[in-house]
Amino acid sequence: GQQVMQIPQYQHVQEGEDFTTYCNSSTTLSNIQWYKQRPGGHPVFLIQLVKSGEVKKQKRLTFQFGEAKKNSSLHITATQTTDVGTYFCAGRVGGATNKLIFGTGTLLAVQP
Amino acid sequence: DSGVTQTPKHLITATGQRVTLRCSPRSGDLSVYWYQQSLDQGLQFLIQYYNGEERAKGNILERFSAQQFPDLHSELNLSSLELGDSALYFCASSVGQDSYNEQFFGPGTRLTVL
Repeated sequence: GQQVMQIPQYQHVQEGEDFTTYCNSSTTLSNIQWYKQRPGGHPVFLIQLVKSGEVKKQKRLTFQFGEAKKNSSLHITATQTTDVGTYFCAGRVGGATNKLIFGTGTLLAVQP
Repeated sequence: DSGVTQTPKHLITATGQRVTLRCSPRSGDLSVYWYQQSLDQGLQFLIQYYNGEERAKGNILERFSAQQFPDLHSELNLSSLELGDSALYFCASSVGQDSYNEQFFGPGTRLTVL
């Protein structure tokens, strides 16, 4: 079946270090969305990428969509304790289906 | 606060029982999505309704059903509950019907089946 995997599952960093999570799909995606879920909270939309090779930045966060539209990455520069949470990618598989397939998520822990 | 409301916040019930989870979307949003989040399965899409009609279906069990009412609120019905149904159930809403829309998630309903 359609799967969207994320690596790593868990990352522990010292505050100020960089962090990257990778999202890989077995099939081509029409789009990629990224969500953040704080501990005990609900997923919150961060950004959407649609074009092949697209790169978007939000302050310390950089999002990329692969050329083949099968992978994506989220990079955080100089992590802060407020970055703690689980980061999910979600993509729509091309074709008639309308559903977003969520990735397995990466839990980021930041030690002050 | 996303503007999406879900009730109840917590639900504890026994195996074999039936429960109803309720969701009110953000004002102006026509689509409602239901997700199940468990520790070992991540965030699983269950079903989507758009303006009262079923729009997309995910890995929703036959024991589960949903509907969206004329006032756009939605209910997720879970029946013949099993221990494995214990999870966090999220509702999300969006303006449009396709998956290019940003989804706004509610606070979730934590279901515990004993």
